[in-house]
Amino acid sequence: GAVVSQHPSRVICKSGTSVKIECRSLDFQATTMFWYRQFPKQSLMLMATSNEGSKATYEQGVEKDKFLINHASLTLSTLTVTSAHPEDSSFYICSASGRAGSSYEQYFGPGTRLTVT
Amino acid sequence: AQSVTQLDSQVPVFEEAPVELRCNYSSSVSVYLFWYVQYPNQGLQLLLKYLSGSTLVKGINGFEAEFNKSQTSFHLRKPSVHISDTAEYFCAVTRRGFQGAQKLVFGQGTRLTINP
Repeated sequence: GAVVSQHPSRVICKSGTSVKIECRSLDFQATTMFWYRQFPKQSLMLMATSNEGSKATYEQGVEKDKFLINHASLTLSTLTVTSAHPEDSSFYICSASGRAGSSYEQYFGPGTRLTVT
Repeated sequence: AQSVTQLDSQVPVFEEAPVELRCNYSSSVSVYLFWYVQYPNQGLQLLLKYLSGSTLVKGINGFEAEFNKSQTSFHLRKPSVHISDTAEYFCAVTRRGFQGAQKLVFGQGTRLTINP
């Protein structure tokens, strides 16, 4: 149980376009989802926390108008990178927490590799 | 606020040798502690966690970790490693005692390389 999926697994887009990444909890209801980004050979940095039905809380330094997060249902959160630039190229990972097991535990998706050309 | 320091960025070990990956944390409140493993181009997989009770916790793949409150450490150990253990390992903490999920704070990661 407690499976989280991400789609797509890899995406290449041109500079200036927008890209949407989906994060789904497949077998539990995720009341909270987290979005992280990871640069090569670095740790995960939290971008934002989203609770179902409310606005996301962004970490300091993360542009909320550039990284749009929607958590419209208990099983789906989306991250849209708007007007992407090469510096947005990164590995984006979501995690979900909710009614599977204990509320403190996060279950991670497999990640999405974004390359902006 | 919480912070996590993984003292070794890279640890090379020969196959079947023991290994210890070190993790120290800092927090003004009580925390839960986690170790995750990440294989190339994949998400994170939970190895083990410390919530309360026995300070020695056992996880998957033969790993274990010991919580030491006085030293604020949570080192990960395995008595005999395999080639398949080659991966990136992350130590993480989150605040305990709050309703709902709290954000994880990760260490910088330790690259474990197993040599034949």
